[in-house]
Amino acid sequence: GAGVSQTPSNKVTEKGKYVELRCDPISGHTALYWYRQSLGQGPEFLIYFQGTGAADDSGLPNDRFFAVRPEGSVSTLKIQRTERGDSAVYLCASSLSPSPHNEQFFGPGTRLTVL
Amino acid sequence: AQKITQTQPGMFVQEKEAVTLDCTYDTSDQSYGLFWYKQPSSGEMIFLIYQGSYDEQNATEGRYSLNFQKARKSANLVISASQLGDSAMYFCARLPSQGAQKLVFGQGTRLTINP
Repeated sequence: GAGVSQTPSNKVTEKGKYVELRCDPISGHTALYWYRQSLGQGPEFLIYFQGTGAADDSGLPNDRFFAVRPEGSVSTLKIQRTERGDSAVYLCASSLSPSPHNEQFFGPGTRLTVL
Repeated sequence: AQKITQTQPGMFVQEKEAVTLDCTYDTSDQSYGLFWYKQPSSGEMIFLIYQGSYDEQNATEGRYSLNFQKARKSANLVISASQLGDSAMYFCARLPSQGAQKLVFGQGTRLTINP
């Protein structure tokens, strides 16, 4: 079956611009997660959705970052007024349900470069 | 913050040898899940193995096994009969049983298998 997909795979933008990153989770997975991975580091949590609602957005660094999942499937991470420090790989993951025993399946990531 | 520590930034191993990647964690939770992920140069996070904190036996998945020592708060990954394709970054991660379902990752270990 299809895994988690993310588009675009690469995004280059200029400082101050707005970007949207898309995630298609595995069909039937109710939980969806966004992480950010800077070079040489492990992924860091941004936000977690259970269904359509953001159950935990404590990892979003500031109010320039926002994410939605309007129909409980596809999710979009939105970044306003991008800064050079936003450059990273943005990873999306999904799991069957939110449980400490369910592995999260990751997509290939979107590499964001802010010039 | 409840940290995951991977003390080996890089490991070099001869093909066909076994290798142990270290992971220690800091938590006050009684119930939690521990995961290992592999990240090849392509960037995708690949789930390898899971250990529940209440599991009495160490987890095994093919050539991967987890040396879980709960009292020491360690969850080392053992790869037997290493192969060239095992060269990648390896991340240890923990998921709490309650509250936010966010994986907390270590810094990773870069494993290189030499022919």
